[in-house]
Amino acid sequence: SQQGEEDPQALSIQEGENATMNCSYKTSINNLQWYRQNSGRGLVHLILIRSNEREKHSGRLRVTLDTSKKSSSLLITASRAADTASYFCATCPSEAGNQFYFGTGTSLTVIP
Amino acid sequence: NAGVTQTPKFQVLKTGQSMTLQCAQDMNHNSMYWYRQDPGMGLRLIYYSASEGTTDKGEVPNGYNVSRLNKREFSLRLESAAPSQTSVYFCASEYWLAVGTDTQYFGPGTRLTVL
Repeated sequence: SQQGEEDPQALSIQEGENATMNCSYKTSINNLQWYRQNSGRGLVHLILIRSNEREKHSGRLRVTLDTSKKSSSLLITASRAADTASYFCATCPSEAGNQFYFGTGTSLTVIP
Repeated sequence: NAGVTQTPKFQVLKTGQSMTLQCAQDMNHNSMYWYRQDPGMGLRLIYYSASEGTTDKGEVPNGYNVSRLNKREFSLRLESAAPSQTSVYFCASEYWLAVGTDTQYFGPGTRLTVL
């Protein structure tokens, strides 16, 4: 399978703390993206990082990519209760054209 | 703009019945996708259409057919539903201009139960 794997599967933190989740993948990629999914809803795109980028920021989100280790991390700073959701990484393998492969997700709970 | 819309939102079928899931986007995107999401499995690509008139298999195409009716619409058909097809189905679209530049926009999903 070319799916990425997120770690941890579940994370519970207090409001105001930082949340870090990781994604590992198996093949070389063109880009890696992070999506968020609220319970019972569709996915919402958060951020895209290309294979030649190492770090990217968007608001309270910071994404890193280490292509040598085939891994990425998503950091959410100063978490809020509204950040409670599942977070998925999606990889676009180099040989797969415009197909994305999603990981199994990290379920984040932010306790008020 | 409505973005990506899917119908129906919920559906219950009996084994062997057929149905078509509808998806439409109003963002003038050229590529459209169908995924299924099962607990603990993430999203898996069923079929995709890189452009109007073309369709290709994804990871898990067996038991499904698709039609790219026009640029806006991409339907997914289950000819003979099986309990293993119980899942949440998501449609997505993107404007695929060049590798490494794209994001996908997702519909709200269709929750399908096959008894």
